[in-house]
Amino acid sequence: NAGVTQTPKFRVLKTGQSMTLLCAQDMNHEYMYWYRQDPGMGLRLIHYSVGEGTTAKGEVPDGYNVSRLKKQNFLLGLESAAPSQTSVYFCASSSSDLIEKLFFGSGTQLSVL
Amino acid sequence: SQQGEEDPQALSIQEGENATMNCSYKTSINNLQWYRQNSGRGLVHLILIRSNEREKHSGRLRVTLDTSKKSSSLLITASRAADTASYFCATRDSGTYKYIFGTGTRLKVLA
Repeated sequence: NAGVTQTPKFRVLKTGQSMTLLCAQDMNHEYMYWYRQDPGMGLRLIHYSVGEGTTAKGEVPDGYNVSRLKKQNFLLGLESAAPSQTSVYFCASSSSDLIEKLFFGSGTQLSVL
Repeated sequence: SQQGEEDPQALSIQEGENATMNCSYKTSINNLQWYRQNSGRGLVHLILIRSNEREKHSGRLRVTLDTSKKSSSLLITASRAADTASYFCATRDSGTYKYIFGTGTRLKVLA
């Protein structure tokens, strides 16, 4: 049981380049989330999804897009990367039953030069 | 920003002592959870307390919730070196499935 898997684990981009981060979960969870973590800021919610085909904005959505075409996958896209998007990105998922706890991936370290 | 705050930002204690960290939040919530993060790895769920509960225990963990003050505390008793980590509270807003995290407390337990 892999849980939540994020790819890639590390990436270096140049300003203006684009990329997609992939999050995959094998727990049949309804809800999926993308967070970014910066020193001293804790985790901030970028976008989230409450089901296949649905997405919603979080606290810091600007500069990012997401898609949830399949229930098990949640993609985070950066169309034109900026140095301010240098961060560690975490994906999480949660079931719709009463357990409600979030299961996290191991993170993607992204540097934008 | 909806983000909650935790204090202290950093805490250093001796093994065997108790560690207390506090979380304040801003919105009406359905539940509050505490998570642990080791060295930049993914977060791991510790305990959940619902808005209609005031106190909850799990092993060496004790969580309290005061919805009138919009605050929670996490107590780790008889701390161990392995408890060294960052601890975050997270709240689920009422009527949504958004989970908002606090800024975290870095705990260091000295052997």
